[in-house]
Amino acid sequence: AQKVTQAQTEISVVEKEDVTLDCVYETRDTTYYLFWYKQPPSGELVFLIRRNSFDEQNEISGRYSWNFQKSTSSFNFTITASQVVDSAVYFCALSEAWGDSSYKLIFGSGTRLLVRP
Amino acid sequence: EAQVTQNPRYLITVTGKKLTVTCSQNMNHEYMSWYRQDPGLGLRQIYYSMNVEVTDKGDVPEGYKVSRKEKRNFPLILESPSPNQTSLYFCASRDSQETQYFGPGTRLLVL
Repeated sequence: AQKVTQAQTEISVVEKEDVTLDCVYETRDTTYYLFWYKQPPSGELVFLIRRNSFDEQNEISGRYSWNFQKSTSSFNFTITASQVVDSAVYFCALSEAWGDSSYKLIFGSGTRLLVRP
Repeated sequence: EAQVTQNPRYLITVTGKKLTVTCSQNMNHEYMSWYRQDPGLGLRQIYYSMNVEVTDKGDVPEGYKVSRKEKRNFPLILESPSPNQTSLYFCASRDSQETQYFGPGTRLLVL
């Protein structure tokens, strides 16, 4: 069965600390896509990154970086030098190329990040 | 600007009063979908549409209807809303790289 697990319900850090949000996924498909979305207090869902299953290169975008490891079925997200504006709920999500879950996103339960000044 | 829009953003209604939440995208995407977000239950898909005139049920379709008469629009219809449909609703469209872009959300309260 397809599943995304974000074991960290809530994380609180002080500004400028680095923080890593964990994401573990389950799928039987060999072709799949992984995503991170940010939901700030205003409520919208903001797309951050997409990764396909054939691309295990890590990615860095400014203070954000992502580590995709197929061997451990993980797609972790690190924020370097966190800022108060990073406070939000972050969702990891999975979609499959084929089968029953190819038409939807399977979301994790989210990690609430609080960055304190 | 490429975007998905939803209206209304906030709505308070009463049980049984039909309502429609509109969704429109300007990215020429074939695929669109609706999700609802509830505390403790997360984000769940209601309906999706692969292209014009083709729609199908998601995980929680009961009490909802959709239509896709044109590519850009995908309205969500609640024929007889009930309090258990109080939720935050998101419309999304998907690009050719499988990325779904979400609208700003509609907060619905059914009394």
